[in-house]
Amino acid sequence: RKEVEQDPGPFNVPEGATVAFNCTYSNSASQSFFWYRQDCRKEPKLLMSVYSCGNEDGRFTAQLNRASQYISLLIRDSKLSDSATYLCVVTPGGQFYFGTGTSLTVIP
Amino acid sequence: DTGVSQNPRHKITKRGQNVTFRCDPISEHNRLYWYRQTLGQGPEFLTYFQNEAQLEKSRLLSDRFSAERPKGSFSTLEIQRTEQGDSAMYLCASSARPNYGYTFGSGTRLTVV
Repeated sequence: RKEVEQDPGPFNVPEGATVAFNCTYSNSASQSFFWYRQDCRKEPKLLMSVYSCGNEDGRFTAQLNRASQYISLLIRDSKLSDSATYLCVVTPGGQFYFGTGTSLTVIP
Repeated sequence: DTGVSQNPRHKITKRGQNVTFRCDPISEHNRLYWYRQTLGQGPEFLTYFQNEAQLEKSRLLSDRFSAERPKGSFSTLEIQRTEQGDSAMYLCASSARPNYGYTFGSGTRLTVV
C-alpha cells in the first residue's frame, strides 16, 4: 500500500470557483503534514503546513483528520495563477512521502 | 542567492556512462535530501544526510547509486553505468530541522540515451 494516496485529477475549474483536494495516508505514526505546489517542469515549493487544528492562509485552507488519516486543501476564489500540481506530503520523521499530485487547471 | 543550488541543470548521457550531480544546500540547513521524480509522479525518496552522516537510504537506491556529503555542506549524487530507466529529475532539498518543510533546488534533469 502506498504511503500517500491522492486523486491525480485533473481538476478543471472556472475562475472564482472553490475546489478541494483530499489525500489519505497509511502510517498512523505520521507526525507532520504539508501541501506543496509544483508548476510544470519546476521544483515543488512549500505551500503550507497542515496542523491538527487546521490552518488558513488567505484563500487556502488546510485541514488534518488524524482519525481518518486524511488531509485536505481548500482553495477559494480560484485564480488563473493557481493552475499547478498540488502535492500532499506526510512524514513520520526523517524522509517525506509525497503523493503523486493533483493537477488543477483554472479556466478563464 | 541563499536557496538550494543544483548543478548541472540538465545532463544528457549515453547509457553505461557515469554521471555526478552536485547540490549546495541552504548554508544553515544541516539536513539534505535527494529525491527522484518522473513525469506524472511525486518525488521519490532516495537518501538523506544529517550533517555528513547518511542516515537513511531507499531501496530504490541500487548499488549503482552513491551519495556523499563529506564535510556536511554540499552533497554529490553519482550514478554509475547509467540505464535508460535512470532518466528523471533529480531533486535535492534541505531543511533546518526534522519535520520542517523542505526547500528544494531546481533539480537536475537527466536524460539517458
